[in-house]
Amino acid sequence: EVQLLESGGDLVQPGGSLRLSCAAFGFTFSSYAMSWVRQAPGKGLEWVSYISASSNNAKFADSVKGRFTISRDKTVYLHMSSLRAEDTAVYYCAKYNVAGTHFDYWGQGTLVTVSS
Amino acid sequence: QSALTQPASVSGSPGQSITISCTGTSSDVGGSNYVSWYQQHPGKAPKLVLYDVSNRPSGVSNRFSGSKSGNTASLTISGLQAEDEADYYCSSSSTSSTRVFGTGTKVTVL
Repeated sequence: EVQLLESGGDLVQPGGSLRLSCAAFGFTFSSYAMSWVRQAPGKGLEWVSYISASSNNAKFADSVKGRFTISRDKTVYLHMSSLRAEDTAVYYCAKYNVAGTHFDYWGQGTLVTVSS
Repeated sequence: QSALTQPASVSGSPGQSITISCTGTSSDVGGSNYVSWYQQHPGKAPKLVLYDVSNRPSGVSNRFSGSKSGNTASLTISGLQAEDEADYYCSSSSTSSTRVFGTGTKVTVL
């Protein structure tokens, strides 16, 4: 059974940093691209970042470019810095299908709150 | 990276059919066969209900169907049931980013 378990969400002050983790189980992790998707309170889904299966390609939404990075080993990480109030959201880890055309599994999310 | 446009809400009575539209541009929906739809119940993670415009994952009811014409994709739920009450999001590949989501539609079963 595929499982994605996010962790690392916390209350952080504006300008601060945080690292989110997503542990994956039940599939050959190294064969699949992964993404982070966030949802601000009461708002819709926003794609945040992508990393290829081999880690040789990463992409970011304009809203986080230059502030967030993504990496993976046996876990996928989202490194967030220069955090702003508008980064407050539930952050979901999502697994791509083999062709990389849709998200076939999602984690339960981890809450990041940016506030002083 | 503008969000795809969906109606804010759609409602229907049990047993009826409803359709949710998802309008983008030629850079995303119009130029892609990789439109997917996700169902999200309150406080839960999104769940894939359609992919590649009209394909259903294993375990998803055949009451869910999809289509696309030009820059607009659509999700139809037939035989509406109480359990279908949720938020629905479309998503597409995009030439400007990896993925773009729709604004979301709240489905209410009357």
